[in-house]
Parts: sequence; C-alpha cells; structure tokens
Amino acid sequence: GQNIDQPTEMTATEGAIVQINCTYQTSGFNGLFWYQQHAGEAPTFLSYNVLDGLEEKGRFSSFLSRSKGYSYLLLKELQMKDSASYLCAITNNDYKLSFGAGTTVTVRA
Amino acid sequence: IAGITQAPTSQILAAGRRMTLRCTQDMRHNAMYWYRQDLGLGLRLIHYSNTAGTTGKGEVPDGYSVSRANTDDFPLTLASAVPSQTSVYFCASSAGTAHTDTQYFGPGTRLTVL
Repeated sequence: GQNIDQPTEMTATEGAIVQINCTYQTSGFNGLFWYQQHAGEAPTFLSYNVLDGLEEKGRFSSFLSRSKGYSYLLLKELQMKDSASYLCAITNNDYKLSFGAGTTVTVRA
Repeated sequence: IAGITQAPTSQILAAGRRMTLRCTQDMRHNAMYWYRQDLGLGLRLIHYSNTAGTTGKGEVPDGYSVSRANTDDFPLTLASAVPSQTSVYFCASSAGTAHTDTQYFGPGTRLTVL
C-alpha cells in the first residue's frame, strides 16, 4: 500500500505565494499528479512529475524528489479563484492512482 | 457532449434498494474508473476497467459491481444500498493505463442512503 500525507488546510492572501507539501511512502513509484478541485466540482488535472525537479506551468509549479518521497505544489500570485482543494496522487507499479486526502486552500482578500 | 457525463446528479435512496449510477464518456478512452470521495479520506478507487470487456477491483469494491459492455459506458451498481455508501461518486477515464495517462473526471453523483 501507500501512505500519502498533505496538510488539511492552508490560508493565504491574494497575490501571495503558497506551497502545498505532499509526502508519500510506496512500494513502487511511477509518477505523481496534482489535481485541483473546486467545491462541488470534479477534480481537474494540474501537473504530473515523474523525474526529480521542478515543472513550471504559468502561476503553478510542481516539484518532485523521488529519493525523499516528497513533492510540493507552488501557487504564485494567488487569486480568489485559486480557493479550492488540491489533491496529491501517486501511481505505483499497478498504474492505479492513490490520492491523498487533499489540502483546502482559502485565499483571502 | 464532450468529456464525461454522470447521472443522476444527486439521489436519495432508501437502504436496501438497488441503484445504478451511470457514466458515459465520448473521448474513446480505453480505461475507466469509479471513485468515492468522503470527507477527510480523499478519493478511493472502487472498480476500474482497463478496456471494454474487462473490469477489476480497486481499494473499496465491497457492495459495488460494474460492467463494461462497450468503450463509452461504465455503470456502477449498488445491489443493496447501505448508509455507509453515502458519498460523492466520481467516474473518470484515461486514454490508456500508462503511468503518464491523465485521468479526467466526471461531475460526480451525490448519493445519500437513508
């Protein structure tokens, strides 16, 4: 099995930066996904990392360290619409996704 | 339509009743999945199908069954609903089963079992 840990809640101010950490333990690893989920809506894909390092997509960046079992999602220039849950998920040797419980980010004016 | 549709949007069901949640995708994706999402637990995989005609069990399959008669449809059936099956159910699909394949989610079905 796998354990995936991420903080339950985070609050930040509009225009600021927030970093959401995700740590995992798994017997096999084939990549890490970040999804965004607004309240009452479906999760939507944000990023995928399989190699160590930083992947940047506009205001959002995702980092992975396979040796440390660690990833983070960095949200820059926060906007009110970024208020959502952010889900960390890993794929292991059977290529199925296992999700963390999610981090609810609240952006305040 | 484009993407994944689910029906119904929400349902209140008496315990012991049979219920089928419908899922249809028009992306010609080979793989499809059913998850339930509960507060504090995240998304948990119930059943999956790597391709039409095949299905497999996920993390929490008990009390649920699925079928995959064709590429587009992947219904989830609760044979005899129990209150612990109260949850939000999401259907998802991916082009294939490679570790790089992104899963795309439907809008969800909110099910309450009384």
